[in-house]
Amino acid sequence: AQKVTQAQTEISVVEKEDVTLDCVYETRDTTYYLFWYKQPPSGELVFLIRRNSFDEQNEISGRYSWNFQKSTSSFNFTITASQVVDSAVYFCALSEAPEWWGQGAQKLVFGQGTRLTINP
Amino acid sequence: GAGVSQSPSNKVTEKGKDVELRCDPISGHTALYWYRQSLGQGLEFLIYFQGNSAPDKSGLPSDRFSAERTGGSVSTLTIQRTQQEDSAVYLCASSLVSGDTQYFGPGTRLTVL
Repeated sequence: AQKVTQAQTEISVVEKEDVTLDCVYETRDTTYYLFWYKQPPSGELVFLIRRNSFDEQNEISGRYSWNFQKSTSSFNFTITASQVVDSAVYFCALSEAPEWWGQGAQKLVFGQGTRLTINP
Repeated sequence: GAGVSQSPSNKVTEKGKDVELRCDPISGHTALYWYRQSLGQGLEFLIYFQGNSAPDKSGLPSDRFSAERTGGSVSTLTIQRTQQEDSAVYLCASSLVSGDTQYFGPGTRLTVL
């Protein structure tokens, strides 16, 4: 069975600090996808990134960066120079890859989320 | 372009009543998903549509829950004889094809009194 664990329930930092959100996953599949979503106070889940299991390259997008390590089954998310607008709940998620294109649900299995508060 | 839309945004109902929740996916997206977000259970998958068929209904919690999709577009999630434990935010997502990135709507907050 697939499982995603976000051990940090809540994190609070002062603006401009760097912060890392941890995500550890479990799956028996060799092919899978990992995601991060942001849920601001408005409630809508906003897609941030998707990585497949064959691509372990770290990715950077502005102040956001992601570190994918298959050896430790982790997909951590770092925000550099945090801002108040980064305050939200962040979810890590996992989905299987289809055996053939269009097959299966590829439903997302979510972690419990990390509530990040950036204080001015 | 327009994102995923859901209606109503809020729904308050009495225990035992039936409710219908609507989802309009992004135009052209063939796959549609329903999830539920509650304090106790987090984000849970309910059902998935590819076109108008639902190959995976494994997340529906009971036979009081059903869903349909028509014209490969709009989907309706129906909850019959609502119970207080059905109170949650119901989220809809769509993707271009099955397995692609899922984009979420704003959700419907259901409160069962």
